[in-house]
Amino acid sequence: GEDVEQSLFLSVREGDSSVINCTYTDSSSTYLYWYKQEPGAGLQLLTYIFSNMDMKQDQRLTVLLNKKDKHLSLRIADTQTGDSAIYFCAEAGNTPLVFGKGTRLSVIA
Amino acid sequence: KAGVTQTPRYLIKTRGQQVTLSCSPISGHRSVSWYQQTPGQGLQFLFEYFSETQRNKGNFPGRFSGRQFSNSRSEMNVSTLELGDSALYLCASSLDTSGFSTQYFGPGTRLTVL
Repeated sequence: GEDVEQSLFLSVREGDSSVINCTYTDSSSTYLYWYKQEPGAGLQLLTYIFSNMDMKQDQRLTVLLNKKDKHLSLRIADTQTGDSAIYFCAEAGNTPLVFGKGTRLSVIA
Repeated sequence: KAGVTQTPRYLIKTRGQQVTLSCSPISGHRSVSWYQQTPGQGLQFLFEYFSETQRNKGNFPGRFSGRQFSNSRSEMNVSTLELGDSALYLCASSLDTSGFSTQYFGPGTRLTVL
């Protein structure tokens, strides 16, 4: 079945760039999503990329998609303490969203 | 446009009881999906409704059920609660059920079973 893998933790210094990686298995995915979850909150849609795109930039966020390797990454430029949260990668296709376990990003001031 | 709303935000129940959670989707959205989030299992899909019909169901026991009303609002019910049902229950709405329709999540209902 479909599977989405992410590293569990990432720690960066304020002002540096963060890169969160994700691999997925479903080659029929239509969209790939990044959601952010702050403590005690629901999931906030950050950005998404259509499966036939290689890159998408949205202000401080850059999404890169390598469809051949089924690898997705989220780069956050100039990371701030307010970016500390759990980031989920998810794939959408013919089935419901399949989520990774989430990457906990800690930003050190 | 108002986002997805879920009520109640917090619930405490005891084993054996039942619970009903409610979700109001974004105006114009006709699809509602439910997910269970736990520290051990992560985000797991429960079910998806579109036009009052269940379109998809995850791998959960029959104690978990749901429905959708004509105004697209949805409820999920858990009967005979177990300790392991303690979780954050998230609802997401989308325009339709296609893979091209982005899901927007509500704040969740935190259920604690004692």
